[in-house]
Formats: sequence, C-alpha cells, structure tokens
Amino acid sequence: GAVVSQHPSRVICKSGTSVKIECRSLDFQATTMFWYRQFPKQSLMLMATSNEGSKATYEQGVEKDKFLINHASLTLSTLTVTSAHPEDSSFYICSVGRDRGTDTQYFGPGTRLTVL
Amino acid sequence: GQNIDQPTEMTATEGAIVQINCTYQTSGFNGLFWYQQHAGEAPTFLSYNVLDGLEEKGRFSSFLSRSKGYSYLLLKELQMKDSASYLCAPSSGNTPLVFGKGTRLSVIA
Repeated sequence: GAVVSQHPSRVICKSGTSVKIECRSLDFQATTMFWYRQFPKQSLMLMATSNEGSKATYEQGVEKDKFLINHASLTLSTLTVTSAHPEDSSFYICSVGRDRGTDTQYFGPGTRLTVL
Repeated sequence: GQNIDQPTEMTATEGAIVQINCTYQTSGFNGLFWYQQHAGEAPTFLSYNVLDGLEEKGRFSSFLSRSKGYSYLLLKELQMKDSASYLCAPSSGNTPLVFGKGTRLSVIA
C-alpha cells in the first residue's frame, strides 16, 4: 500500500477566512493525487485531480477559484478553501494511486472542516 | 458514466455472516474495488476483483461476475468492529475511483 498523511485532522474557522489542508505521500512519489469531499451520510465526491508541476483538473461543479490546489512536489499537495462558508463544512480526503496496473487508491486520514 | 447500486443499510448479528451486494453499470471496466469506511474516517482498501469468481481473504471474501455487472462482499464471523460503511467502486482503469453511497452495516450483539 501507500502511507498518506493529512494535516490538520480537524480545523474550525470563521466564515470568510481561508483554510489550507496538506496531503503528504510519505513513502511514495506521487505525480497524481486526488481530493474528495464527503458530507455526512453521503458518498465520497471527487473534487479534483492534483497533478505535480501542472494545473489541477477540477470536476464539474467544483469552483477552482474557491478550492485552490497546489501540487508543488512529488510528495505534497495542498487544498486551500478560500473565503470559507458554513456550507463548505465537510470531510476532505486526499488519496494517492500507487500500484501499477491497477488504480488502487490509498486514502489519507481526512480533515474535518467546520466553518462557523 | 457510472451507476452503482448497493443497499443503503444492513443490520446483522455478531458472529453471523452477511453478504453485501453491489450492481453496477459502467462504460469500460477493469475490475471492482471494495473499501471499508468507519464513521469519521477515511476509506481503507479491502479487495480488488478482476476475474470472475470468489476471492477469499480471511473473514472477508469478494465475488465478481463481469457479465452480470454484479459483485458481493461476504463478511464471516462478524465482529462489532465490522460496523462501518462498505463502498463498492467499479474501475475503468487508471482514473480516480467513483464511489456510490455505500452500505452502512450495523453489527449488533
């Protein structure tokens, strides 16, 4: 498998502020990482694909100016929620694909964001 | 596109066996993943089936029928810690996985 970490695990912020979430691949150099969002009792929704050294690819309906993704190195991708609102409160999870020949994804532990 | 159908909730007794079914429709198919997700945690990989048939891995087994677009996850000797959501995800290749809502399993004493 792959070891993936996220920081912070929980964050509470005021409406209008920005929050940065880090995703690190600890034992594997990942050219691609994925960002998901999950609301309570809902499915994981893919937000974007983070590509090292190039722009992220966003899914339809996800505002790229609101959810800024930076994949500056092979082990780190960051997601910044800008001008956060209460409706952005969710569980944000990143993942890394590692195994060649399959698309097995290994997930980070997730970040619980609460916007007041 | 993809269409994934799983029961929303299931309840089973500790020590029993439970089967969680998944039917899917997808354009392009490589194999099928099962993940386990405990409340408030990220999903963890359980199994990946490429070929038809049953693959056993300890207390968990996963079955695939490619022609029927059908899979199931079989959990034996249920334990309380098995209470979680189980996510079925058909795979079309080296792309991010798309998940359905999953099946929320409650194991009771």
